[in-house]
Amino acid sequence: DAMVIQNPRYQVTQFGKPVTLSCSQTLNHNVMYWYQQKSSQAPKLLFHYYDKDFNNEADTPDNFQSRRPNTSFCFLDIRSPGLGDAAMYLCATSNSLFPTRQGYNEQFFGPGTRLTVL
Amino acid sequence: AQTVTQSQPEMSVQEAETVTLSCTYDTSESDYYLFWYKQPPSRQMILVIRQEAYKQQNATENRFSVNFQKAAKSFSLKISDSQLGDAAMYFCAYRSANSGTYKYIFGTGTRLKVLA
Repeated sequence: DAMVIQNPRYQVTQFGKPVTLSCSQTLNHNVMYWYQQKSSQAPKLLFHYYDKDFNNEADTPDNFQSRRPNTSFCFLDIRSPGLGDAAMYLCATSNSLFPTRQGYNEQFFGPGTRLTVL
Repeated sequence: AQTVTQSQPEMSVQEAETVTLSCTYDTSESDYYLFWYKQPPSRQMILVIRQEAYKQQNATENRFSVNFQKAAKSFSLKISDSQLGDAAMYFCAYRSANSGTYKYIFGTGTRLKVLA
């Protein structure tokens, strides 16, 4: 089945120790998103890619970086995690190119990576 | 800028009964998409139902239906014959249909409890 995969599902890191979260998709969608979600809150968009074009949200801290080496993969790098960065990180994809394909302009989410910062 | 408001932080419904979750939004655009997403505890967020603003007919998906009132900028979700598996956070979301816009704007969510 086509899907959005996030690894690892659970990540524990130490305060200030860089960490990378990964996302891959088999949907061949052109847009990929990273969200931060804290308990019982709405997902907060960090950035998104339209193909290789990177779009950062104005309030995303510089501590958060992203890479998209190809259509299928996208990475979230947290350079110096703080206690406040402990959250669920959601990756999502969207097809915005092919209106006749199922799921046009819908978001498909991965299961998330829960980050703990000690 | 567009905003999405969910005024009910939490709702409860008896199993087999019907419940309606409210969502209002603000936009100056005429063409857009609206969505309801479901996020069960510790599980993946999935799409429940979508509505294109240009369509007057309300979307339905099995036990889920929406009441889309474009002039009032209201988009409520009705769940009929509620089941225990419907217990989750429900997020209303907006997406512009303008070319070059790919962001989704989420409401703060409604936690739905289903009572046996």
